[in-house]
Amino acid sequence: NAGVMQNPRHLVRRRGQEARLRCSPMKGHSHVYWYRQLPEEGLKFMVYLQKENIIDESGMPKERFSAEFPKEGPSILRIQQVVRGDSAAYFCASSPQSGISGNTIYFGEGSWLTVV
Amino acid sequence: KNEVEQSPQNLTAQEGEFITINCSYSVGISALHWLQQHPGGGIVSLFMLSSGKKKHGRLIATINIQEKHSSLHITASHPRDSAVYICAVRETSGSRLTFGEGTQLTVNP
Repeated sequence: NAGVMQNPRHLVRRRGQEARLRCSPMKGHSHVYWYRQLPEEGLKFMVYLQKENIIDESGMPKERFSAEFPKEGPSILRIQQVVRGDSAAYFCASSPQSGISGNTIYFGEGSWLTVV
Repeated sequence: KNEVEQSPQNLTAQEGEFITINCSYSVGISALHWLQQHPGGGIVSLFMLSSGKKKHGRLIATINIQEKHSSLHITASHPRDSAVYICAVRETSGSRLTFGEGTQLTVNP
């Protein structure tokens, strides 16, 4: 049973380009979370999605960032017109049910975005 | 003030020592997670607690809901335990995790 798969592991983009980060949750998991870890800082919540629905996007910057979790395929975190401040590690996590019940959460290996 | 506070921020120990990392939080929670992160690597969930105490190998995690405090203990520490240990809470009002800043543990041989 494969774990949470993220790709790419490392991505370099020039300022103004677009970055797309993909996350395939564990088999049977329908809840996906994206977190960001800026250099020398702790993890911060970005967005919580279920299949075809955004449940909580209160941690997402209002502009340039979007996320989706389609019926088929991986969840995608999209960053348009990247700036140097977007350089960070982006972690995806999945769980089988809503976190309200306190289910164990599984993290991916992370995607390291560098904006040059 | 952060909703989740960890102490210490940095901890250096000698192999074999007993280690304690503390976590205090200020919000109502449904669960607390202890996570481990190695340099340049992913994050592993060590424990999920909603009450009491859990043990896995040399790791022990406790939580006191009334005092809003949790501890992670490592017995007979080993250099391979060197990592960042992160406390994260799931608030009762939602599904997101709120993280502490992490404790950088270095265990020297």
